[in-house]
Amino acid sequence: EVQLVESGGGLVQPGGSLKLSCAASGFTLSGSAMHWVRQASGKGLEWVGRSRSKANSYATAYAASVKGRFTISRDDSKNTAYLQMNSLKTEDTAVYYCTRRSSDDSSGYYYVWGQGTLVTVSS
Amino acid sequence: QSVLTQPPSVSGAPGQRVTISCTGNSSNIGAGYDVHWYHRFPGTAPKLLIYDNTNRPSGVPDRFSGSKSGTSASLAITGLQAEDEADYYCQSYDSSLSGSVFGGGTKLTVL
Repeated sequence: EVQLVESGGGLVQPGGSLKLSCAASGFTLSGSAMHWVRQASGKGLEWVGRSRSKANSYATAYAASVKGRFTISRDDSKNTAYLQMNSLKTEDTAVYYCTRRSSDDSSGYYYVWGQGTLVTVSS
Repeated sequence: QSVLTQPPSVSGAPGQRVTISCTGNSSNIGAGYDVHWYHRFPGTAPKLLIYDNTNRPSGVPDRFSGSKSGTSASLAITGLQAEDEADYYCQSYDSSLSGSVFGGGTKLTVL
């Protein structure tokens, strides 16, 4: 079964760091574009960033709201993707989803989603 | 403020037809980028409903259909059922932002 399982969420103080994991099963992560999407309580979905497939050198891009603070990486040996979040702000509080995208190009859609992991930034 | 604009809520009686609009601009939908739709039930992750403007993934009933024209797209649901109550989101790509964009979501209530 194709599946994504996130972990690593929790409570962190403003200015702190957290690293989310996204473990894939049923497919090889390196062949897929992987994106992170978040949803704050009562708000809509917000794209966070992406890592293209190995064929496109795992190229990354980020939303303006997280650029310079968040970093997406992968470990092929563990079939796992990561979202390193630094200098966290209260407005980063949200449920974070990792998603498998249909293609590396701009018109892709998200057809596999993890269950989500809650990140709470609060003092 | 989401880049793509959706009505916050829509409602309909069982058996009726409802539509959900998704309005963008010349940097996203109007630029020709595909629109995709997801639904999300409380406490669960979003799930793909329509992809590439009009296509349904395997298992999605043909009561759900999508369309796109100009800078807008629409999701239509016919033969409304109680189980259709969920939040619905549209998604596309924005060339000026160089990333995916979503609508703010529409809550569907079956009366």
